[in-house]
Amino acid sequence: QVQLQESGPGLVKPSGTLSLTCAVSGGSLSSSNWWSWVRQPPGKGLEWIGEIYPSGSTNFNPSLKSRVTISVDKSKNQFSLNLSSVTAADTAVYYCARGVNSGWSGRYFDSWGQGTLVTVSS
Amino acid sequence: DIVMTQSPDSLAVSLGERATINCKSSQSVLYNSNNKNYLAWYQQKPGQPPKLLISWASTRVSGVPDRFSGSGSGTDFTLTISSLQAEDVAVYYCQQYYSQTTFGQGTKVEIK
Repeated sequence: QVQLQESGPGLVKPSGTLSLTCAVSGGSLSSSNWWSWVRQPPGKGLEWIGEIYPSGSTNFNPSLKSRVTISVDKSKNQFSLNLSSVTAADTAVYYCARGVNSGWSGRYFDSWGQGTLVTVSS
Repeated sequence: DIVMTQSPDSLAVSLGERATINCKSSQSVLYNSNNKNYLAWYQQKPGQPPKLLISWASTRVSGVPDRFSGSGSGTDFTLTISSLQAEDVAVYYCQQYYSQTTFGQGTKVEIK
């Protein structure tokens, strides 16, 4: 059973860059799955941020695309998220998730990390 | 973007009674070439990540109790809990994965 674990700073200053890593265990990052980041502001719903394939191909939510970078490190079996120019609106629980290849544009998510709260504040 | 709209935002159901959650997409998520609906349902309990219940609109994930069922096609979908149990108290989300991915706003299910 694959397990995912997010890590990174819990507090980021406004205008700074949010950086998180997701460590994958119990399975290979190089399997034919996409690996995603999803966030959830406190008390609100889910927002997909973007995804990466083991080859390095990426897709992003158009509303965040200009600020998002996702990378993969297959040697460490982990992938990472960078979100730049953050504001208070980026305060959220950030989840990493495994996306099942649907053979089409999007993915559904069958494994999730526990999530990590990132607060944007000075 | 495909907009997903769930109804109601919340509902309270007596133990053992049926709970029905609706999800409507702003455009069809049915891919005609394979006749599959690109629609999933998740359950999220407080302090936990979402848990996948159903994919392809009606395919229950292994281990999910059979009181959970999904139905619908095209733009209109339903998640039904046939006999509500105390452990089903949660927020439920629909998600389309036909065009990238978007989620509904969530429906909170409580005990009456």
